[in-house]
Amino acid sequence: ETGVTQTPRHLVMGMTNKKSLKCEQHLGHNAMYWYKQSAKKPLELMFVYNFKEQTENNSVPSRFSPECPNSSHLFLHLHTLQPEDSALYLCASSQDWGGAHREQFFGPGTRLTVL
Amino acid sequence: QKEVEQNSGPLSVPEGAIASLNCTYSDRGSQSFFWYRQYSGKSPELIMFIYSNGDKEDGRFTAQLNKASQYVSLLIRDSQPSDSATYLCAAKTSYDKVIFGPGTSLSVIP
Repeated sequence: ETGVTQTPRHLVMGMTNKKSLKCEQHLGHNAMYWYKQSAKKPLELMFVYNFKEQTENNSVPSRFSPECPNSSHLFLHLHTLQPEDSALYLCASSQDWGGAHREQFFGPGTRLTVL
Repeated sequence: QKEVEQNSGPLSVPEGAIASLNCTYSDRGSQSFFWYRQYSGKSPELIMFIYSNGDKEDGRFTAQLNKASQYVSLLIRDSQPSDSATYLCAAKTSYDKVIFGPGTSLSVIP
């Protein structure tokens, strides 16, 4: 248990659905991240929030919309996804963003399947 | 050129042997390096980080960093079947991004 929780753990959705992924961290961290992990590919950083402000958007399509209402919570809103968006979506947190040695702690992930 | 490279494996070692996992990176200004272990179907978990040239030891794990050669490695001594997993190398680049390698699959044979 790393102190980072994600819900739901599994999600199946159609291409016309709207759903949201939730992440919560109990570590007192100020930076939170969304990653995508597809089969046979490296982890891909999607978004970074530092002190509730978005500092990184790694050219993510607009059908993925992040929201960070406070330093402990991070959401990823999903709309009109494609089957190729099926992947494991991982949330992570760290003390802050920009420090030299800020290790990240990962949540268990949400396994997303888009039909 | 990929920013962080690892041999995909699988790397097979007998139980009790030393497993050596290697990683190279392209951004010479990278500051910090991390090794994560990821069991099948699970999320990554941090094993070690290193930011100074040389060796850093923690139990059975030793991370080695050579910035001149842009090379970082992870040695696992007395390998156990429970060490069988995918090991991810990550680098914190000079432009403040954490880039992950594709991972090396390790199999420890009893």
